[in-house]
Amino acid sequence: AQSVTQPDIHITVSEGASLELRCNYSYGATPYLFWYVQSPGQGLQLLLKYFSGDTLVQGIKGFEAEFKRSQSSFNLRKPSVHWSDAAEYFCAVGAGQTGANNLFFGTGTRLTVIP
Amino acid sequence: GAGVSQSPRYKVAKRGQDVALRCDPISGHVSLFWYQQALGQGPEFLTYFQNEAQLDKSGLPSDRFFAERPEGSVSTLKIQRTQQEDSAVYLCASSFDWEQYFGPGTRLTVT
Repeated sequence: AQSVTQPDIHITVSEGASLELRCNYSYGATPYLFWYVQSPGQGLQLLLKYFSGDTLVQGIKGFEAEFKRSQSSFNLRKPSVHWSDAAEYFCAVGAGQTGANNLFFGTGTRLTVIP
Repeated sequence: GAGVSQSPRYKVAKRGQDVALRCDPISGHVSLFWYQQALGQGPEFLTYFQNEAQLDKSGLPSDRFFAERPEGSVSTLKIQRTQQEDSAVYLCASSFDWEQYFGPGTRLTVT
């Protein structure tokens, strides 16, 4: 069965500092992996995805993530955090024929950015 | 163009009432998904449509939950005889290929 673990419930970083949000997944086949961001009152917005190929993927807003099959991880990183990055971040693994029919989400990591 | 819209944005229901939540997907999007997001949790898959066909309803928690998309566009999620545990944000997403575009959600509170 598919599952996603985000071990950090809440992370606080200073503006300008680097960020890494952890994600571990469990899936029997080649995973389709996603990171979404959710701001209060807003819908989920896709930051980036991994389907195949280069294991380091670039996304919007300066985010990147690295797929490590040996560790079953897909950690999200950003070299310098901005105050506007404060939000809830969700890692997800896609199932189904296209790999994106059903998304299984982690419980999320809330990011607080302090000046 | 316009994104996915959902209505109402907030709904308060008394336990035992029936509710209907509406989703207007992005025009031309074939696939439509419903998710339930409890407080402090990630979204959980409920059901999936391709056009008007409901291809997967494995995530619907009970037979009180029913979804339809009769003309392959607008979808309605209906919850009968609401219970307190149904309190959550209900998210709708639509897609043309693989990327799901999410609406802002409907926050349902059952009192």
